[in-house]
Amino acid sequence: GAGVSQSPSNKVTEKGKDVELRCDPISGHTALYWYRQSLGQGLEFLIYFQGNSAPDKSGLPSDRFSAERTGGSVSTLTIQRTQQEDSAVYLCASSLKVWGAGAYNEQFFGPGTRLTVL
Amino acid sequence: TQLLEQSPQFLSIQEGENLTVYCNSSSVFSSLQWYRQEPGEGPVLLVTVVTGGEVKKLKRLTFQFGDARKDSSLHITAAQTGDTGLYLCAGYSSGGGADGLTFGKGTHLIIQP
Repeated sequence: GAGVSQSPSNKVTEKGKDVELRCDPISGHTALYWYRQSLGQGLEFLIYFQGNSAPDKSGLPSDRFSAERTGGSVSTLTIQRTQQEDSAVYLCASSLKVWGAGAYNEQFFGPGTRLTVL
Repeated sequence: TQLLEQSPQFLSIQEGENLTVYCNSSSVFSSLQWYRQEPGEGPVLLVTVVTGGEVKKLKRLTFQFGDARKDSSLHITAAQTGDTGLYLCAGYSSGGGADGLTFGKGTHLIIQP
C-alpha cells in the first residue's frame, strides 16, 4: 500500500544511547508531523514540517530531540542520550494540504515506533 | 494553550448498547475532527465538523459540533465489538499544536460481546 510507513516498529535501547526513528510519508504529501503517545494517552505534538519552510519545533520536549526531513520526503527523528521517560510510541503523520482559515486536511498516520528505554 | 477534555476517559459496555462520548474546551475551534485508533496502529480520521451545530452521521456513529464550536459529541448506536478502540478528538485553531491541530487524550472504548 501507499500509506505512511515507520521503522523500526519496535526499538529497545539502554538509557543514555541515541536512537533514530524513520518516517516515510505518503508520496506527494507536503506536510509531515511527529507526535509522541505515552501509554493510554493522547497525542503530544513534537514537530511539524511543511514543504521547504523552517520546521515548527515548538513541541520538542528538550534539546535532546531533533528531526530532519531530507528532500521534502523521508524524515528522521533523533533522540540523544535517551531517558526512561522517553519511552512511548512515536507516531508520524503526513497530509496533503496546509491548514488555513476555514480550511482543513486529513492527517494520515503511520503505525508508530514503540520505543522502550531500559 | 488550547485544551480539549474528553470524557469519559474509559467506557466498557455490552454489545448492542448506545453510548455518547464528549469533547469539551473553553476555547473556540474553527473545526474539529474525530479519529479512531486501534491497538498497534495510528489514528484514522472518522469525520471533520466545521459549522457550529453541525451534525454528521457515519453509519451508526453520529457526530455533533456545538453551536459555540467549543465542544463536540460522538454518539454510537447499537455498539458492536468492532467499535472498540481509542477515540480521539482534535480541534483546529490558530496558535494550536501541530499546524493548528490540538488533540485530546482520548476515550478508551471497549465493547463486550
